[in-house]
This record gives sequence, C-alpha cells and structure tokens, in this order.
Amino acid sequence: AQTVTQSQPEMSVQEAETVTLSCTYDTSESDYYLFWYKQPPSRQMILVIRQEAYKQQNATENRFSVNFQKAAKSFSLKISDSQLGDAAMYFCAYMDSGTYKYIFGTGTRLKVLA
Amino acid sequence: KAGVTQTPRYLIKTRGQQVTLSCSPISGHRSVSWYQQTPGQGLQFLFEYFSETQRNKGNFPGRFSGRQFSNSRSEMNVSTLELGDSALYLCASSAGGTGPYEQYFGPGTRLTVT
Repeated sequence: AQTVTQSQPEMSVQEAETVTLSCTYDTSESDYYLFWYKQPPSRQMILVIRQEAYKQQNATENRFSVNFQKAAKSFSLKISDSQLGDAAMYFCAYMDSGTYKYIFGTGTRLKVLA
Repeated sequence: KAGVTQTPRYLIKTRGQQVTLSCSPISGHRSVSWYQQTPGQGLQFLFEYFSETQRNKGNFPGRFSGRQFSNSRSEMNVSTLELGDSALYLCASSAGGTGPYEQYFGPGTRLTVT
C-alpha cells in the first residue's frame, strides 16, 4: 500500500530564514503526482506546489521549491525568506495516476518566529 | 471562478442523529473528495466521487456514505452519529479525468456531536 510520511510534527524558523520540510513516500508505481498543501490556522487548505513524477526538474513557485528525489522517494519543501504568513500546517500528498487516489501525510506544523 | 463551497459551516448534533453535509465544487470540476480532519488523526480520506460514481473509498464504517449529482455537487451523510464523529469535514474538488489533478479545498463543515 502507498504511504506518505512526514517525520517532523513541528518545525520552527526565524523570519527571513530558510526552512526545509521533509516528506517521504512509498509506492511501486512510476506515474504519480506529489503536492504540498498549506493550512493556515482556522483557514482554508491551499495548494503550495505540485510535482509530476515524470519530470526530473524540481518545481518552483516563488519562495517555495521542492527537492524531488524519485529514486529515494523523497519530496521535501524548501521555503526561502520565511514570512510570518507562512506559519501553517503543511501537508505532503501523493496521487496515484492510475487510481486517482490521494494519500496525505500527517502534516508538519511550521512556526515562524519574528 | 468561485471556489469550493460547503454548507453548513457549523453543525451541532446529538448522538444517534444523522447529518447531511453538502459540497459544491469549482465549476467544471468532476471529482469531489471528502476528508475527516481531527487533531488526533490528521486528515483521513473518506471517499471520492467522479462523474456520479464512487471511484475511491477510505476505511470508514458504512455509517458514512456519500453521493454526487449530475451537476457534480456532492453530499455526505453520517447516520447514527457517535461522539467520535466530531471533526472538521473537508471537501475538495479537482478536474479529474485527464487532469490537472490538484485538489481545491472548501472551508469545511465543523461538526460537533454531543
């Protein structure tokens, strides 16, 4: 069965610094998608970034970038120049292209210190 | 485009009662997924509907059921409510089919069972 693991329940980062959130997954499939979602306190879950497994190039969205290591089944999220508004719960998610089933990790709570 | 809407936003029910939650996806989206979010269990997948058919199902008892209508709107029903059903229920829509596959989440329905 496919699984997604986020081993860091909580992380802290100083404002303007860089932080990396870890995510590993397990699958025997070769075609899939990976996502990072952000859920601010008492607010809606939003998509941060997506990565197609068939693309070798790491996805980037402004201050957010991923380090996708397909062989190692690792998908970490790097947040550069952290801002107070980045404080949220971050979820890593995997989607199987064959079944369209999503699997979410348990989340990492990010605190940004002023 | 309007985002994903969920009604009602808050609900208080008594143990043993049943409840129906509603989700309207983004226009054009054909896939709707439901999740239960609790502090202890994180984000748990309930089921996914695509073009009025249940395409994926999580590991929840039969008291949890859903359906999708021809306009892609979806409802989730929980019968014989238990105290443990108290949670934030999130609905997410995606284009489905050939993609794109990222999910867009609604604000959730906060269900409290007393």
